[in-house]
Amino acid sequence: GQQLNQSPQSMFIQEGEDVSMNCTSSSIFNTWLWYKQDPGEGPVLLIALYKAGELTSNGRLTAQFGITRKDSFLNISASIPSDVGIYFCAGATVGSSNTGKLIFGQGTTLQVKP
Amino acid sequence: DGGITQSPKYLFRKEGQNVTLSCEQNLNHDAMYWYRQDPGQGLRLIYYSQIVNDFQKGDIAEGYSVSREKKESFPLTVTSAQKNPTAFYLCASSPRGAESTDTQYFGPGTRLTVL
Repeated sequence: GQQLNQSPQSMFIQEGEDVSMNCTSSSIFNTWLWYKQDPGEGPVLLIALYKAGELTSNGRLTAQFGITRKDSFLNISASIPSDVGIYFCAGATVGSSNTGKLIFGQGTTLQVKP
Repeated sequence: DGGITQSPKYLFRKEGQNVTLSCEQNLNHDAMYWYRQDPGQGLRLIYYSQIVNDFQKGDIAEGYSVSREKKESFPLTVTSAQKNPTAFYLCASSPRGAESTDTQYFGPGTRLTVL
């Protein structure tokens, strides 16, 4: 099925550093979502974006809905050890709006060195 | 508290047995979804339901079955026809209407191991 291209696949950073990850698609999306998943747990919604160009923050997290509607990025500022986990992007295309089906990226694994 | 519950957290079954995973939500959401996640992989959609008494196959429905008799509940049965059932199973729900329709909220997951 259709997939999002999420990059990077993994990151290993020092505590205090900023982090950036992004997702791109060949299709136009009308919703972008960012989730964080801890080992053995379900994904937790971090930020939801519904309009092209929208820039939304949630504490140290900032995400943007790309103006072309084909991409989104997530930034984490001043990383801390509890930021460790897998970050997933997900989106809904215009065609899937009636079903609510989401397309998921493959995830970015973040490791933070204290 | 409102949320999605999945039980049990860990489940072990012998090969050839059917097993049913529970998913309950008290968020008053109309739509519910089942995903499978394999180690180091993303999420793959098994089945979804937009309304009570109706459900559709996702991308990997073979070997699975579901029912949606109540709005709050969407159980998933992993049948003996599923060739590789050992995986982490996630249930999600989303509201309908308005722009938040596509936003899905996940349960804590059930790890199924078939011996």
